[in-house]
Amino acid sequence: GQQVMQIPQYQHVQEGEDFTTYCNSSTTLSNIQWYKQRPGGHPVFLIQLVKSGEVKKQKRLTFQFGEAKKNSSLHITATQTTDVGTYFCAASGGSYIPTFGRGTSLIVHP
Amino acid sequence: DSGVTQTPKHLITATGQRVTLRCSPRSGDLSVYWYQQSLDQGLQFLIQYYNGEERAKGNILERFSAQQFPDLHSELNLSSLELGDSALYFCASSARTAAETQYFGPGTRLLVL
Repeated sequence: GQQVMQIPQYQHVQEGEDFTTYCNSSTTLSNIQWYKQRPGGHPVFLIQLVKSGEVKKQKRLTFQFGEAKKNSSLHITATQTTDVGTYFCAASGGSYIPTFGRGTSLIVHP
Repeated sequence: DSGVTQTPKHLITATGQRVTLRCSPRSGDLSVYWYQQSLDQGLQFLIQYYNGEERAKGNILERFSAQQFPDLHSELNLSSLELGDSALYFCASSARTAAETQYFGPGTRLLVL
């Protein structure tokens, strides 16, 4: 079945530093979604990428979908303490049922 | 607030017991999804219902079952509970398909003792 690897598992940064999490699939994807889960909270949808090579921005967040539609990344510029949480990618193949990565937990030190 | 409600918030029960988790999707959403989140397995898709019909199955155990009712609320039934079933169970809803935005509820935290 479809496998999704997300790295790193944890990332500690000083406030103001950049952060990147990567999501890699063993198969070509139909789309990829990114979610954020705050500690004690539930996953919240951030964005969906569909097209090969697609790049989308939301303020300090930049999302990329690889040319081969097998990988994706989320980059946060100048992290803030409000960015703390776990970032998940959810990759969908032909069935459209998403496989979630294990998530990257971002810890921001003030 | 995502618009998805789940009850109860917390549930403590014993091994061998049966519990029912309830979910009400966002108004207008036809699809409901159930997920299990545990520390060692991450977020695992269990099952999807669309307008009352089962649409897709994931890693759902035979001891678990779900249904979606005519008013579109859904229930997840967990039986013969084991210690390893302790986890956070999320319900999510989307307008139609999993390719669309999924809105997650606050979750039900299940502890099996």
